[in-house]
Amino acid sequence: DAKTTQPTSMDCAEGRAANLPCNHSTISGNEYVYWYRQIHSQGPQYIIHGLKNNETNEMASLIITEDRKSSTLILPHATLRDTAVYYCIVRVKFIGNEKLTFGTGTRLTIIP
Amino acid sequence: SAVISQKPSRDICQRGTSLTIQCQVDSQVTMMFWYRQQPGQSLTLIATANQGSEATYESGFVIDKFPISRPNLTFSTLTVSNMSPEDSSIYLCSVVLRTVQETQYFGPGTRLLVL
Repeated sequence: DAKTTQPTSMDCAEGRAANLPCNHSTISGNEYVYWYRQIHSQGPQYIIHGLKNNETNEMASLIITEDRKSSTLILPHATLRDTAVYYCIVRVKFIGNEKLTFGTGTRLTIIP
Repeated sequence: SAVISQKPSRDICQRGTSLTIQCQVDSQVTMMFWYRQQPGQSLTLIATANQGSEATYESGFVIDKFPISRPNLTFSTLTVSNMSPEDSSIYLCSVVLRTVQETQYFGPGTRLLVL
């Protein structure tokens, strides 16, 4: 699975959009981009995933560049509860290859 | 998603003893995994729990130290054997649901402290 690079930490003001970048320059054509977050030692929470099109759900939006070498997770209106470590993971998606390789992630702090 | 529960949620154990952690899911799953998260570190996969057969362990993890059972589709146990302080970690189970096979969901974790 491709390696990802994320900033170690970021701050965002409450109520503003939080934009978390992820570089995955060695991503293969059949690898998906997944985002999880972990709130203070709880189990990681699935947020969103995508292949090449932008995706949106009730939690966030995922913007993947046209060359797929980077992506951005957007939390549109950040709240204090969004303070967490955010992990960007790329992997080939097929049944039997569900293993996730976690990097160090981005520690996002929402400032009141 | 599904409700994934782990027992115990936390424990303090003496070195040399063993602890068995349970993971129960309220939905049918295709795959179950066990991860470890050492203090201040990211998650590391220990093994894939296979129903009715031996677990598949990742490099650096062995069955004698981390025996795993999965007697049915929705239940698995991880035992941390002959514990030492270095085993102090959060242990997490995760599952792939039969109905949502492209996403892995995690339990709340078991926080273990070994003295």
